[in-house]
Amino acid sequence: AQTVTQSQPEMSVQEAETVTLSCTYDTSESDYYLFWYKQPPSRQMILVIRQEAYKQQNATENRFSVNFQKAAKSFSLKISDSQLGDAAMYFCAYRVRGGSEKLVFGKGTKLTVNP
Amino acid sequence: EPEVTQTPSHQVTQMGQEVILRCVPISNHLYFYWYRQILGQKVEFLVSFYNNEISEKSEIFDDQFSVERPDGSNFTLKIRSTKLEDSAMYFCASRADPRHFGSGTRLTVV
Repeated sequence: AQTVTQSQPEMSVQEAETVTLSCTYDTSESDYYLFWYKQPPSRQMILVIRQEAYKQQNATENRFSVNFQKAAKSFSLKISDSQLGDAAMYFCAYRVRGGSEKLVFGKGTKLTVNP
Repeated sequence: EPEVTQTPSHQVTQMGQEVILRCVPISNHLYFYWYRQILGQKVEFLVSFYNNEISEKSEIFDDQFSVERPDGSNFTLKIRSTKLEDSAMYFCASRADPRHFGSGTRLTVV
């Protein structure tokens, strides 16, 4: 079974600094997608960034970037120039291509941004 | 961009009562999903629905749960006899693209 592990229940960062959130996953599949979601107190799920496993290039979305290490099954999220609005729960998620394509989530990391 | 809408945003129900959570997925999508998030925990897959049939369900999705698409637009999740532990956020998703998550229904069972 596929599993997603986020080993940091909580992280904190100073405003304008950089923080990296860790995620590892376990799968025997070769074709899959990885995602980072942000969940603010409203509890809405907001997609931050996605990565296709077949792409070697790391995905980037403005201040958000990933370090995707396929062999190590690692998918970390780097937030640069952290802003107060980045404070939220962050969930790493995985889905395989094909079948029902359900998402499998990690337990999340609570990010606090200090002014 | 089209959105997935969920109603109600918050529902309070008494233990043992039936509840129906509603979702309006994006019209031309074919796969639909329900996920659950108990407060403070991770998001968990409940069920996927394709071509008017359940395509996959998790261990959580027991006989108390059912899904249907009664009129070709709404996609519903029914819990027949709610328990305290059913209190959670329930998210509907339309297709596998995770941009298409609804804003959730917060179910409180008292």
